[in-house]
Amino acid sequence: GAVVSQHPSRVICKSGTSVKIECRSLDFQATTMFWYRQFPKQSLMLMATSNEGSKATYEQGVEKDKFLINHASLTLSTLTVTSAHPEDSSFYICSARDWLAGSSYNEQFFGPGTRLTVL
Amino acid sequence: QKEVEQNSGPLSVPEGAIASLNCTYSDRGSQSFFWYRQYSGKSPELIMSIYSNGDKEDGRFTAQLNKASQYVSLLIRDSQPSDSATYLCAVNTSFQKLVFGTGTRLLVSP
Repeated sequence: GAVVSQHPSRVICKSGTSVKIECRSLDFQATTMFWYRQFPKQSLMLMATSNEGSKATYEQGVEKDKFLINHASLTLSTLTVTSAHPEDSSFYICSARDWLAGSSYNEQFFGPGTRLTVL
Repeated sequence: QKEVEQNSGPLSVPEGAIASLNCTYSDRGSQSFFWYRQYSGKSPELIMSIYSNGDKEDGRFTAQLNKASQYVSLLIRDSQPSDSATYLCAVNTSFQKLVFGTGTRLLVSP
């Protein structure tokens, strides 16, 4: 159980284009999903918290107009990197929290990640 | 002071030995703690969670929590080469955010 998928696993795009990344919880419903970014040899940094049916909450320093998040259902959240630039190249990882589990514990299950390279 | 601190390593142990990984955190209001394993180029995989003081065992893994000392550790018994990875300590802070340490790289030699 607690499987999270992410698509695509790898994307290479030209500077200025937009890229959409999908995150799905496959065997549970997730009222809350999270988007992280990880640069080489660094730890995971939370970008935003995505709640089903409401606007995402962004961490300080993360541009909400650049990183568009939509959480339209209990099993799907999407992250769109708009007008991507080389400095946006990173490993983007989503996670999901099972709504049946105690939310106070904040146990999160991670997707396999999407490696974005912007040329 | 970083919110979650880990020694970056690498921690080198021979096959069959016990690997001991440590983590300290700054937010005294933190209530839940996790250990994730991350192989190079892959996303983190949850291997242990612990919520109360003491030890929690799961197979070859034992997590230890001491809230008074703000310290959490992970012991891996009978270490295998396949355990070689980066181990991330994550703390659910009083702000309900999961904060990760920078990870400890473990190398298990055959």
